[in-house]
Amino acid sequence: NAGVTQTPKFRVLKTGQSMTLLCAQDMNHEYMYWYRQDPGMGLRLIHYSVGEGTTAKGEVPDGYNVSRLKKQNFLLGLESAAPSQTSVYFCASSYALGRRTHEQYFGPGTRLTVT
Amino acid sequence: GNSVTQMEGPVTLSEEAFLTINCTYTATGYPSLFWYVQYPGEGLQLLLKATKADDKGSNKGFEATYRKETTSFHLEKGSVQVSDSAVYFCALSPQASGGSYIPTFGRGTSLIVHP
Repeated sequence: NAGVTQTPKFRVLKTGQSMTLLCAQDMNHEYMYWYRQDPGMGLRLIHYSVGEGTTAKGEVPDGYNVSRLKKQNFLLGLESAAPSQTSVYFCASSYALGRRTHEQYFGPGTRLTVT
Repeated sequence: GNSVTQMEGPVTLSEEAFLTINCTYTATGYPSLFWYVQYPGEGLQLLLKATKADDKGSNKGFEATYRKETTSFHLEKGSVQVSDSAVYFCALSPQASGGSYIPTFGRGTSLIVHP
């Protein structure tokens, strides 16, 4: 199993450009998440999905959109990149059983720089 | 809402020293508790977990005990190595009565181990 993979690993954008980050998991997990990690800020949840075709806002959703057309994929889009979106982006997935989610599996991250 | 508080870092130790990283949480019911580790340039990975009160999670010489009475899940290791240098995140997964079950993370504690 590949686990959670992210594409691309690195990207440099100019202000105003758009891009899509792809996350894929092969563990049949229901839940998928997008986080950003900035120095001194820990992990902040951008958007998440509890199943195919569903998405929801997290803590810092502004400037981002997401889609989950297939259970194994979760896409994060930046329509008009801003320097404040320079960060490391992590995707994660987990399964839910009963009334709780279980441990998350994280991808290796995408380092994005917006100039 | 749910919250996780962990001690600020960096924590700097000499090799073979004893490690404690404090973590306390606020949540209703009986959440699952986790410690994740992030090595430089990588994503987070599960270090250990506990799903009910008085459970002890352990892995790679690290231990943490789920203390319901003090709402704590402190991470300990008896003898740290240089290779343990990383950022450690405490997290909880709530026991929900409905809706989605989104994990909550602490801000992370950087550990630096010197030879």
